[in-house]
Amino acid sequence: SQQGEEDPQALSIQEGENATMNCSYKTSINNLQWYRQNSGRGLVHLILIRSNEREKHSGRLRVTLDTSKKSSSLLITASRAADTASYFCATDANTDKLIFGTGTRLQVFP
Amino acid sequence: KAGVTQTPRYLIKTRGQQVTLSCSPISGHRSVSWYQQTPGQGLQFLFEYFSETQRNKGNFPGRFSGRQFSNSRSEMNVSTLELGDSALYLCASSLPLAGVSYNEQFFGPGTRLTVL
Repeated sequence: SQQGEEDPQALSIQEGENATMNCSYKTSINNLQWYRQNSGRGLVHLILIRSNEREKHSGRLRVTLDTSKKSSSLLITASRAADTASYFCATDANTDKLIFGTGTRLQVFP
Repeated sequence: KAGVTQTPRYLIKTRGQQVTLSCSPISGHRSVSWYQQTPGQGLQFLFEYFSETQRNKGNFPGRFSGRQFSNSRSEMNVSTLELGDSALYLCASSLPLAGVSYNEQFFGPGTRLTVL
């Protein structure tokens, strides 16, 4: 079963708009990661946030983590067509495996 | 540094056959993980190897096996292939990070396996 569930499943926006994706998980974690995947290719790591952190930034990316609600959000500001991809959260539940969520498909229209 | 490489990139097999996939991690990375990605089940963890030892294993049948060599290269084997094994198989390597059980994973491009 999936540890993480992303919401929404799909998101369509115009270039320049912000995109927000949410991830909910079930068990306690040590860290949470976000990845991007372009059309059936390998995943690219975006950001890692530890359980004792609440917010992290990387360029146009902002990630928040709320361990009390077991949820995280990924905000992409000023979206570009090149941001079109699927985005996954991943958690290290019980530290014995990295479990990926179901993903959000983001489409950014020029 | 060269990225993670996987061979072959595409593979077509028939039911009942077996297949071996190969993964070469980034130089210096000793942890290699394998994942299966399908439209229905998403990304599923298969197993992780570190210094030639399997450290963790996902919920897959014994038909799925793997190994890691002394140079950290890894192979994954699937015996008695079933139609449901058709998937994108992804390999990822990583470096350990203090206090982080699973650090940033560097993924290869994947092997697309089709079972007919």
